[in-house]
Formats: sequence, structure tokens, C-alpha cells
Amino acid sequence: AQSVTQLGSHVSVSEGALVLLRCNYSSSVPPYLFWYVQYPNQGLQLLLKYTSAATLVKGINGFEAEFKKSETSFHLTKPSAHMSDAAEYFCAVGSGSARQLTFGSGTQLTVLP
Amino acid sequence: DADVTQTPRNRITKTGKRIMLECSQTKGHDRMYWYRQDPGLGLRLIYYSFDVKDINKGEISDGYSVSRQAQAKFSLSLESAIPNQTALYFCATSDPGQGNTEAFFGQGTRLTVV
Repeated sequence: AQSVTQLGSHVSVSEGALVLLRCNYSSSVPPYLFWYVQYPNQGLQLLLKYTSAATLVKGINGFEAEFKKSETSFHLTKPSAHMSDAAEYFCAVGSGSARQLTFGSGTQLTVLP
Repeated sequence: DADVTQTPRNRITKTGKRIMLECSQTKGHDRMYWYRQDPGLGLRLIYYSFDVKDINKGEISDGYSVSRQAQAKFSLSLESAIPNQTALYFCATSDPGQGNTEAFFGQGTRLTVV
């Protein structure tokens, strides 16, 4: 079985500040982990993915995430927020044996001027 | 053109009506999925199909049915729509050759049942 918990349904940061979106997962086998972003009235776009190579994963738009097995975490960060980062972010877990992704409940990121 | 196309993009229907949401893809992927998105609940899996003869129920299949007409087409039906099926619906595909279940999403269909 696999599951995802995203801490904080809403996160607000000032423009230029650090973005930190939290994700913890549960998986009985080595996981694949994903962050997706959803802009208003759009579908989900892949930001980055962890597939058992490097534990620090770099994605698009300056985002990165670090896989920490001991903490079962895959938090998403960006050093300096931009207004265009305002969106909803979803963490998801899959595995080689799983037949589909399991998504977290999402975190709405607001960037304040 | 989008790799995963959903039609319609928006639909308002009345309680009790039958409605079909369609999805087509040009990615050549065997795996296709239907998800439902509700505020605060993330995406929940309704049905998934690994080929035209392999269709499986997901987490919340009650009240829904699907048809995999071809590798590229996967439609979702609500036999008798009810208001709590008002949601944003997403179709997605994945490639088993990648082995990591990364999903590619359509733009979504916003369904309102009144």
C-alpha cells in the first residue's frame, strides 16, 4: 500500500522568499516520487521526479526536492519565490509494483508582493 | 496539439442524466486513467486501463463506468448523474516502459451536475 501526506493545504510566502512545501509518503517498496503543479484552469504538469538515482532532484522553474528515506519525506523547495509560482502543488507516490500513482491532497501556494 | 485531449472542457448537466466524458491521446501509451479532483481531497482514481481488454476499478468507481474503445481512447460515463459528482475530471496516460508510473494529464473537464 502507498499513501501521501502533504502538510499544509495553504502556504503563503512573500516574493523572493524561500518556498518549502512538505510531503511525506508511505510505501512498502522503494518508491517513485513526483511533484506536479496545477495552474488555474489547467491540467497537472510534472515539476520533478525521483526514481532512485540522485536523492536531490532538480526540476523545472528552479524547484528542487530531496528524497530522505529515513524521514520518508520528499519536500519541495525553491530559494526565491516568484509571483508566477502561485499555483496548487501535488505530491504523488508510485512504485514498480503499483499500477497507478497515489496523490496527496494538494498545497495551494500564494505568493505575496 | 495536446498529447492528451479531453472533451468537453466544461459541461453542465441535470441530475439523472447520462453523460460521457471523452479522452484521446497521441502519446502511444497503453495505460490510461480517469481521476476526479475535489478541493482538499487531491486526485482520486476512478478507473484505469492497461490495454483495451484490461479495465480496473479505482478508489471511487461507484456511479461511473468506462470504455476503452482503442489504445488511444478511454471514455468515462456517469450513468445517472448526481450533484456530488460535480468535480474536475482528469484523464491521464503513462508508459509502462518507463517503469516509474509517471502520468501525463489532459487539461481536465469541469462537470457540474445541477
